[in-house]
Amino acid sequence: GIQVEQSPPDLILQEGANSTLRCNFSDSVNNLQWFHQNPWGQLINLFYIPSGTKQNGRLSATTVATERYSLLYISSSQTTDSGVYFCAVGFSRLWGGSQGNLIFGKGTKLSVKP
Amino acid sequence: EAGVAQSPRYKIIEKRQSVAFWCNPISGHATLYWYQQILGQGPKLLIQFQNNGVVDDSQLPKDRFSAERLKGVDSTLKIQPAKLEDSAVYLCASSLVISGGDSGANVLTFGAGSRLTVL
Repeated sequence: GIQVEQSPPDLILQEGANSTLRCNFSDSVNNLQWFHQNPWGQLINLFYIPSGTKQNGRLSATTVATERYSLLYISSSQTTDSGVYFCAVGFSRLWGGSQGNLIFGKGTKLSVKP
Repeated sequence: EAGVAQSPRYKIIEKRQSVAFWCNPISGHATLYWYQQILGQGPKLLIQFQNNGVVDDSQLPKDRFSAERLKGVDSTLKIQPAKLEDSAVYLCASSLVISGGDSGANVLTFGAGSRLTVL
């Protein structure tokens, strides 16, 4: 069935370290977004990236749609990067009946220690 | 630009009572979404509006949940009667449009959420 799997579920880093978060999905997609949920619960969009590579400061993301995965890179992590990172996917074969329905993974909880 | 506004931020009710949440999307955003996020899980779509029409409500428990978006702007989500398992954060989000392809207009902007506790 339709699945979005994120790994690792939990990640603890020392400030300044780099990390890679992974999102695997089970079918072809036409919408993929990465979000950061801060400790106060606010969800912030990081990237809209159904394919290709994008960079924004210390963050970058790559989606290889043909191989059904996306990666989020965080470099030189800071304590403010702590929170939960979600991958949300819109599956092509659901598009006609559920336009825009993003299916969220369970998230990666990141803790950055000073 | 102003963000997505939601109220109330917190609500505590007893089971079988009713509750309503309000959302005002970003000005000009045609599409509005209500998501339910249970503690420790990712958000799950309840209902999606395009202007004032429902696009997808397949995961909305219609025996107790209802939502409307009159005039295609703000929206209300109601739960009546509430159950213990409805305890969650209810998130409203909006986007310019819904479409396939590489369009930044699909980017979702979320409100701060409304946290519901059912006792």
